[in-house]
Amino acid sequence: AQKITQTQPGMFVQEKEAVTLDCTYDTSDPSYGLFWYKQPSSGEMIFLIYQGSYDQQNATEGRYSLNFQKARKSANLVISASQLGDSAMYFCAMRRIHTGANSKLTFGKGITLSVRP
Amino acid sequence: DVKVTQSSRYLVKRTGEKVFLECVQDMDHENMFWYRQDPGLGLRLIYFSYDVKMKEKGDIPEGYSVSREKKERFSLILESASTNQTSMYLCASSLLAGGDNEQFFGPGTRLTVL
Repeated sequence: AQKITQTQPGMFVQEKEAVTLDCTYDTSDPSYGLFWYKQPSSGEMIFLIYQGSYDQQNATEGRYSLNFQKARKSANLVISASQLGDSAMYFCAMRRIHTGANSKLTFGKGITLSVRP
Repeated sequence: DVKVTQSSRYLVKRTGEKVFLECVQDMDHENMFWYRQDPGLGLRLIYFSYDVKMKEKGDIPEGYSVSREKKERFSLILESASTNQTSMYLCASSLLAGGDNEQFFGPGTRLTVL
C-alpha cells in the first residue's frame, strides 16, 4: 500500500520569499512517480510538477522545484519568489509506475499556503 | 488545452434522491476518475474507468456507481443520496493509466444532501 503524509497544518510566507512544503511517502514499489497539485479557492486542481523515482535529477518547472530525497522518502515542493496567487492548498500524490490499468494516484491531505503581501 | 467539465458547480439534493454527476473531457483520454474531497481527508478515489464500459472500484465505492457509455463522458451516480455524501466531487482524466501521465481535473461539484 502507498501512503502520503503531509503534516504541516498551514504555512505562511512573505511575498517574494521562497517556501518549502513537505511531503513524505511510503511505498514498497521500486518504481513510482510523485506529483504535486495546487488547488486555489476556485476548487480546480492544477498539476504543478512530477518526479519519477528513477530520475537522476530533481524536477524543476519554472518557480517550482522538487527536493527529492529517495532514501528519506521525501519529495518536498519548493516555491521560489512567492506570489500572492500562490495562496492555495497544495497536494502531494504518488502512483506506482507500470503499464497496467490499475495505477491509482494516492493523495496526501494537503497543506494550505498563505502568501502575505 | 485539456478541458474537463462538470455539469454543476453547486448542487443541493434531498436524502433518498437519485443524483447524477456528469463529467466530460475533450482530449480523447482513456482514463477517467471520480474523487471526493473532504476537509482533513484529502482526495479519495471513488471509481475510475480505463475504457468505455470498463470501471474499477476505488478506495470508497460504497453508495456510488458509475457509468461510461462514451469515451468522453463519465457519470457518478448516487443511487439514494445520504447526508454523509455531502462533499466536493472532483472528476479527472488522463491519457494513460500510469507513468508520468498527470491527471487533469474539472472544477468540482459541491454537493449538499439535506
